[in-house]
Amino acid sequence: SQTIHQWPATLVQPVGSPLSLECTVEGTSNPNLYWYRQAAGRGLQLLFYSVGIGQISSEVPQNLSASRPQDRQFILSSKKLLLSDSGFYLCALQGQGFNTEAFFGQGTRLTVV
Amino acid sequence: KQEVTQIPAALSVPEGENLVLNCSFTDSAIYNLQWFRQDPGKGLTSLLLIQSSQREQTSGRLNASLDKSSGRSTLYIAASQPGDSATYLCAPGRGQTGANNLFFGTGTRLTVIP
Repeated sequence: SQTIHQWPATLVQPVGSPLSLECTVEGTSNPNLYWYRQAAGRGLQLLFYSVGIGQISSEVPQNLSASRPQDRQFILSSKKLLLSDSGFYLCALQGQGFNTEAFFGQGTRLTVV
Repeated sequence: KQEVTQIPAALSVPEGENLVLNCSFTDSAIYNLQWFRQDPGKGLTSLLLIQSSQREQTSGRLNASLDKSSGRSTLYIAASQPGDSATYLCAPGRGQTGANNLFFGTGTRLTVIP
């Protein structure tokens, strides 16, 4: 079965510091991978998705970037965090094709202070 | 841009009651729609996936329907239990350059009272 690992579970970072959140998946090959953010009182917003190694698409302009160095690894980064980057970050995967189920990790709670 | 609305925003029911959660979306050009539950501070757990060609999907006490043309989906929960307490999210999906991107509303927070 498919498994998504996200770490850390919680993170407190000062404004202006760098960020690296890692997501690794198991039990699947060549998945589509996604980063979503859930801000307080708001719905989940898609930030980035990737259909393959080195292929990144951004949904919204922002202070963050994403990379996919390996098939089952998806990284969310920032060079300098802003207060507005605070939120709950979720990694998700789907198999290839448009009618496959999406599965989510347990998320990382990021607080920028 | 796809807009998703879920009504009601919060719902409190006594244990054993049957209930319906509603979801509406503005863009009917979707490939599928997925229902999730989210426990406080946790990730999302997939409940049901309905493909755009389907009208409904069932899993145990859960039944989800989809009316793509009118932009509506409902999640029916039979014989509710305290363990069903969570936030329920619907997410229509639309294909884009090989991916199926999901769009979310703010969900319905369900509390089942023992």
